[in-house]
Amino acid sequence: DAGVIQSPRHEVTEMGQEVTLRCKPISGHDYLFWYRQTMMRGLELLIYFNNNVPIDDSGMPEDRFSAKMPNASFSTLKIQPSEPRDSAVYFCASASSAGGSYNEQFFGPGTRLTVL
Amino acid sequence: AQSVTQLGSHVSVSEGALVLLRCNYSSSVPPYLFWYVQYPNQGLQLLLKYTTGATLVKGINGFEAEFKKSETSFHLTKPSAHMSDAAEYFCAVRDTGRRALTFGSGTRLQVQP
Repeated sequence: DAGVIQSPRHEVTEMGQEVTLRCKPISGHDYLFWYRQTMMRGLELLIYFNNNVPIDDSGMPEDRFSAKMPNASFSTLKIQPSEPRDSAVYFCASASSAGGSYNEQFFGPGTRLTVL
Repeated sequence: AQSVTQLGSHVSVSEGALVLLRCNYSSSVPPYLFWYVQYPNQGLQLLLKYTTGATLVKGINGFEAEFKKSETSFHLTKPSAHMSDAAEYFCAVRDTGRRALTFGSGTRLQVQP
């Protein structure tokens, strides 16, 4: 398996522009998570899905952020408009509920976003 | 709300020395506990996890951790550090009723030759 795939790996954009981050989870996994990593706040959950349905979006910073999962193999995280404080590394992770409720989350390599 | 505290943002050890990375959690119920490692410019990789059963958990690369309920701790250890262990380590907790992880602030491990 190729693991969790994220694109792009690096994104540099200007303030006010729309940014779309993409994630392909591991095939067969029914949970998908979006995390953000910054120096100030560390690793924090933004939102997660189960069977393509958003379960907990309490970590989404504000209305500028939105996430979708149109099917089991694809998710997007969109920021519109972007601001310099959105600069961070965004991780996608997936997990399977098969075999137990505490299965490992597998992380993608992350997207490093810089907003100028 | 559950939380995780990692004592020491930076730890430096000599190659061959004991590695001890500290993690304390706060949770109203016995949680699931995890240690992840992050190498530069990479995602997180699971080292080990505690769910139920034996409180001493062995993971990959010679790491182990012991769940101590009375101390609400889940410290990570390795008897002999190797240069390749240099990375950032994250402790994480998950309540039984929630799928997402709450991470500690991370500890950067340096291994000196």
